[in-house]
Amino acid sequence: GAVVSQHPSRVICKSGTSVKIECRSLDFQATTMFWYRQFPKQSLMLMATSNEGSKATYEQGVEKDKFLINHASLTLSTLTVTSAHPEDSSFYICSASRNRGAQGTEAFFGQGTRLTVV
Amino acid sequence: QQQVKQSPQSLIVQKGGISIINCAYENTAFDYFPWYQQFPGKGPALLIAIRPDVSEKKEGRFTISFNKSAKQFSLHIMDSQPGDSATYFCAAASGTYKYIFGTGTRLKVLA
Repeated sequence: GAVVSQHPSRVICKSGTSVKIECRSLDFQATTMFWYRQFPKQSLMLMATSNEGSKATYEQGVEKDKFLINHASLTLSTLTVTSAHPEDSSFYICSASRNRGAQGTEAFFGQGTRLTVV
Repeated sequence: QQQVKQSPQSLIVQKGGISIINCAYENTAFDYFPWYQQFPGKGPALLIAIRPDVSEKKEGRFTISFNKSAKQFSLHIMDSQPGDSATYFCAAASGTYKYIFGTGTRLKVLA
């Protein structure tokens, strides 16, 4: 399968600071990337859809000013958690869609980032 | 209508047995149904996927069965191994690429 690299895998930050998470598609170009949040023993909750060169589309209830998404190139999307609070502590996962032409698209996931806000 | 219902929530299987996880959807616009395997602290990994034009797809020990009229699909893991112990998510997507995930099934395969 294709490789999607997410960095960092773990981060601990102080309350009120900002944290940036990077998501890179290493061996394919991804016009669309997705950011998810996952709580313990729960499913993935889509936060936003990131399209290269345009503004991200946020799901209902997700604060766009708090979770800043930038998709500057076809291989890189970033999620910045601004003014982090302990309730933002979670497992954040990105995915990148690879277009397979007539076979449609496939989504590949990064390894996730465990964010802990203290 | 956007939901994907997954069952069971948890599953315990003996080594060598068959693990079966089921999913059901409502939205007939979905045209891509992948299954993901997730280990603790890791991102989901694509296992196998199917499109509505076929009723079954097999890759190694993993098989997807798809019932378009019932709007259901299932994952079968043959000869289950302790290393298969993980959480499995089904998903459904349409041409918008947006994935709707099931609630997950925690599989434990006993040695």
